[in-house]
Amino acid sequence: EVQLVESGGGSVKPGGSLRLSCAASRFTFRNAWMSWVRQAPGKGLEWIGRIKSKTDGGTADYAAPVQGRFTISRDDSKNTLYLQMNSLKTEDTAVYYCTTERPTAVTTRFDYWGQGTLVTVSS
Amino acid sequence: SYVLTQPPSVSVAPGQTARITCGENNIGSRSVHWYQQKPGQAPVLVVYDDSDRPSGIPERFSGSNSGNTATLTISRVEAGDEADYYCQVWDRISDLRVFGGGTKLTVL
Repeated sequence: EVQLVESGGGSVKPGGSLRLSCAASRFTFRNAWMSWVRQAPGKGLEWIGRIKSKTDGGTADYAAPVQGRFTISRDDSKNTLYLQMNSLKTEDTAVYYCTTERPTAVTTRFDYWGQGTLVTVSS
Repeated sequence: SYVLTQPPSVSVAPGQTARITCGENNIGSRSVHWYQQKPGQAPVLVVYDDSDRPSGIPERFSGSNSGNTATLTISRVEAGDEADYYCQVWDRISDLRVFGGGTKLTVL
């Protein structure tokens, strides 16, 4: 069964940086589109960004709240997805989930999810 | 951007049928996916492409989508179905993935 394990969460002050990792296994990572989804405490799910497989261009796109501050990257040799978070704000406090994404011609969905890692931004 | 509207809560007795809606103008023209999230756990995909079920999801979970409303139906509800449920669509124009606000299902 697909396994996604996030790490790197923790506490950071506003304006600080943090890098999350997601170790993937039991599927062909290099062929997968991957996304990050976050969930603020007591709130709903929010998609924050996606990276395509390298065969599909390898580009990343982001939701407006994190555009210009967050960067998604991947290392297919290590089967690992990353989320570099800079200029963090208190409103970035959330559990961050790594997910596989299944795109089709008419839609895209999140098939598998990691267990999440908590990021707390507070002074 | 747009908003997917879900009722904040739905309550149902064990053995009855729960219906959770997801509303948006002309949502019937999109593919809708549904996720179940139990307390302290990651979300799990339970219905995709309006009405298909991933392997391992019970047949009690079904979905439909028409007009301005998509619906997740859970038949013969069990205590273990108590969770938050989220709908999700993809907006082709903006390339955004959008979630509904979530519905808390309470089994009485």
